[in-house]
Amino acid sequence: GIQVEQSPPDLILQEGANSTLRCNFSDSVNNLQWFHQNPWGQLINLFYIPSGTKQNGRLSATTVATERYSLLYISSSQTTDSGVYFCAPLGSNFGNEKLTFGTGTRLTIIP
Amino acid sequence: GAGVSQSPRYKVAKRGQDVALRCDPISGHVSLFWYQQALGQGPEFLTYFQNEAQLDKSGLPSDRFFAERPEGSVSTLKIQRTQQEDSAVYLCASSTYNEQFFGPGTRLTVL
Repeated sequence: GIQVEQSPPDLILQEGANSTLRCNFSDSVNNLQWFHQNPWGQLINLFYIPSGTKQNGRLSATTVATERYSLLYISSSQTTDSGVYFCAPLGSNFGNEKLTFGTGTRLTIIP
Repeated sequence: GAGVSQSPRYKVAKRGQDVALRCDPISGHVSLFWYQQALGQGPEFLTYFQNEAQLDKSGLPSDRFFAERPEGSVSTLKIQRTQQEDSAVYLCASSTYNEQFFGPGTRLTVL
């Protein structure tokens, strides 16, 4: 199956700082999702981005499928951005519908 | 509209007891997934339904785990003779066109 690596594993930033989270995956993909898991454990959908660039407010994401990586950018961080960020690609094999999650990046925003 | 709901939110079981975890997907979503999340890890795939058909159960860790979705809507994950290593958060997700949406999870603690 697909191998997923996320970096950095932990990130501590001052409120207002910008950050870039990286996701590398080992195989071609049909889909890739980014999630934010908040301190209560809820997985919140951020982006559905098999390729290209998308933006949503202070967040944006870029997936370069041919080079097998995706980036999540967070600008002007707020304390509510704290939590764990997961990327999860979906393989391109027919019938393979499951998401494979990385181990996540734990982001802590200090006021 | 309503998102994915799961019940109970918390379950404490004594080792050897059977448990049943319920998932109500988003109305109209054809695909339903179960994932298991251990502490400090990303979610891991357990099983996948398309309508009432269980198309992939490759992630179920043992034959003590059983899932069903008899009418193609609500799903139940059953764990028989629970063991301490079954302690985890069990997440349900549903999708219609690849993008998966997750419920809040059921935290299972086996004593």
